[in-house]
Amino acid sequence: EAGVAQSPRYKIIEKRQSVAFWCNPISGHATLYWYQQILGQGPKLLIQFQNNGVVDDSQLPKDRFSAERLKGVDSTLKIQPAKLEDSAVYLCASSLGTQSEGLYEQFFGPGTRLTVL
Amino acid sequence: AQSVTQLDSHVSVSEGTPVLLRCNYSSSYSPSLFWYVQHPNKGLQLLLKYTSAATLVKGINGFEAEFKKSETSFHLTKPSAHMSDAAEYFCVVSDLDSNYQLIWGAGTKLIIKP
Repeated sequence: EAGVAQSPRYKIIEKRQSVAFWCNPISGHATLYWYQQILGQGPKLLIQFQNNGVVDDSQLPKDRFSAERLKGVDSTLKIQPAKLEDSAVYLCASSLGTQSEGLYEQFFGPGTRLTVL
Repeated sequence: AQSVTQLDSHVSVSEGTPVLLRCNYSSSYSPSLFWYVQHPNKGLQLLLKYTSAATLVKGINGFEAEFKKSETSFHLTKPSAHMSDAAEYFCVVSDLDSNYQLIWGAGTKLIIKP
């Protein structure tokens, strides 16, 4: 079974530039998550999709971050414009269903390491 | 509100000796608890999970953890460390209070000395 795919693996940009990350979840997984992991910290949930609808985006900085999951499969996360503090690893994860449905395990991709100069 | 405290940012053990990674949590409800491992340049992988069944949970690669409600702890152990265990380990809690979102600890880096 193929895992969660993410691209690019690494990205270096200047502040105020834009950047986009792509995620392809495990086939058949209805729920998709984007996390931000700053060095030395645990991941922080940015947004959760159930199929192509947003379940939780309470911690997404909506003035600069946006995400979409068209057709309920692949997803993109965009930052525009980037700030220095956005330097982090951006992790995508997927699960069969939501935690409240009892389908707990989230499978993680390798992440995209973003450096903002 | 829920929270997770991993008591050590770094743990260093010799190969072949026991591993203990400590985790305390706070939760208003019956929580689910997890340990994830993150190897360098690889994705996070679930090691084990507690979801209100047996309090001693066995995971992959010889790891296990014991849920102790009275101590609000969920420490991760392994009898004998292997070089391949060197990684970052995260303790995670989830309950109704968080709408079942995963609340992550800051991580413990496990260093294995030859």
